[in-house]
Amino acid sequence: DAKTTQPTSMDCAEGRAANLPCNHSTISGNEYVYWYRQIHSQGPQYIIHGLKNNETNEMASLIITEDRKSSTLILPHATLRDTAVYYCIVRVVGGTASKLTFGTGTRLQVTL
Amino acid sequence: DGGITQSPKYLFRKEGQNVTLSCEQNLNHDAMYWYRQDPGQGLRLIYYSQIVNDFQKGDIAEGYSVSREKKESFPLTVTSAQKNPTAFYLCASSRGTSGQETQYFGPGTRLLVL
Repeated sequence: DAKTTQPTSMDCAEGRAANLPCNHSTISGNEYVYWYRQIHSQGPQYIIHGLKNNETNEMASLIITEDRKSSTLILPHATLRDTAVYYCIVRVVGGTASKLTFGTGTRLQVTL
Repeated sequence: DGGITQSPKYLFRKEGQNVTLSCEQNLNHDAMYWYRQDPGQGLRLIYYSQIVNDFQKGDIAEGYSVSREKKESFPLTVTSAQKNPTAFYLCASSRGTSGQETQYFGPGTRLLVL
């Protein structure tokens, strides 16, 4: 699976949009971009994933650049409960084994 | 209420003791996984199972064992051979194992050595 690069930490004011970047410059054509988050001492929570089109669900939006070398997770109106570590992961489609390779992620701190 | 449950939330192990961590899912998922997380680090795959009565080693299987006798259950045993077992253990499941299948995680079990 391709390696990803994320900033170590970010701050965001409550009510504002949080934009979390991820660099995956070595991504292959058959790899999806996944985002998870982990609130302290809990299991990771799935947020969203995409291949090449932008995606939106009730939690967030995922913007993938046209060359697919980077993406941005957008939390449109961050709340204190969104404080967590956010992981960007790329995964190959198909195959018989499908582990998730988590890096160290971005620690998002939402403040009043 | 559908989901993945892990028990116990905290587990203490004495030296030389085997302990078993429980993972149950009612999502009717075929695939299940065990990961280990150490402080400040990402997750590392211990074992995974694509189907009942079958399982495969992950990246750090030494000192661990698993079984998959039922579709909904995938218990992990931390044996005395695992010399550094203190960690946060996470169980996950997915419908299948292709790269498109989303993995969903349980709440985790924190194992501490006395």
